[in-house]
Amino acid sequence: EVQLVQSGAEVKKPGESLKISCKGSGYSFTSYWIGWVRQMPGKGLEWMGIIYPGDSDTRYSPSFQGQVTISADKSISTAYLQWSSLKASDTAMYYCAKSYDRRGSLFDYWGQGTPVTVSS
Amino acid sequence: DIQMTQSPSSVSASVGDRVTITCRASQRISSWLAWYQQKPGKAPKLLIYDASSLQSGVPSRFSGSGSGTDFTLTISSLQPEDFATYYCQQANSFPLTFGGGTKVEIK
Repeated sequence: EVQLVQSGAEVKKPGESLKISCKGSGYSFTSYWIGWVRQMPGKGLEWMGIIYPGDSDTRYSPSFQGQVTISADKSISTAYLQWSSLKASDTAMYYCAKSYDRRGSLFDYWGQGTPVTVSS
Repeated sequence: DIQMTQSPSSVSASVGDRVTITCRASQRISSWLAWYQQKPGKAPKLLIYDASSLQSGVPSRFSGSGSGTDFTLTISSLQPEDFATYYCQQANSFPLTFGGGTKVEIK
């Protein structure tokens, strides 16, 4: 069974750093892209970026380029999303998702989401 | 970036109704379009890919159509479990982009 299990809820202060994780199982982790999607409270879905764990090829949305870093450790089938300096506007639910195929263009399995709250 | 525009933003319907949601891309994307369903507090779920292909396990009352710039998601007979928010997503090129969502509410 394909599963993506994300790390737990985070409460941080502005300016702090954060790294959240997404562990894949039940499929070949290195053969499919893992994407990250933001959902701010009461709002829609925003694609942040994507990584191919097989060779670490990474693409970012222009809206998130330079604001976050996406990485993966294929030895433990885990992808990461990290911030070096959080802002209150980073408060949101963050989902990881597995690509349907090697194009990386749509997602068939999703993690349960990691809620991040940034508040002083 | 390719902009995706969904309409309506919300629709009120009754069980058994036929519901149609449209999605328009700002440039031609062939059939590279997906539809997702999201229920409150849950992750999105893939319903349709390649504009009209039904994802495994998705009921046949859901269907998708369209190509180029204009696409449609149809629920042929709305069921209680279908009340949710629906998003289109262009799968043509990076950066991937989602529509703003359509909330299907109970009339």
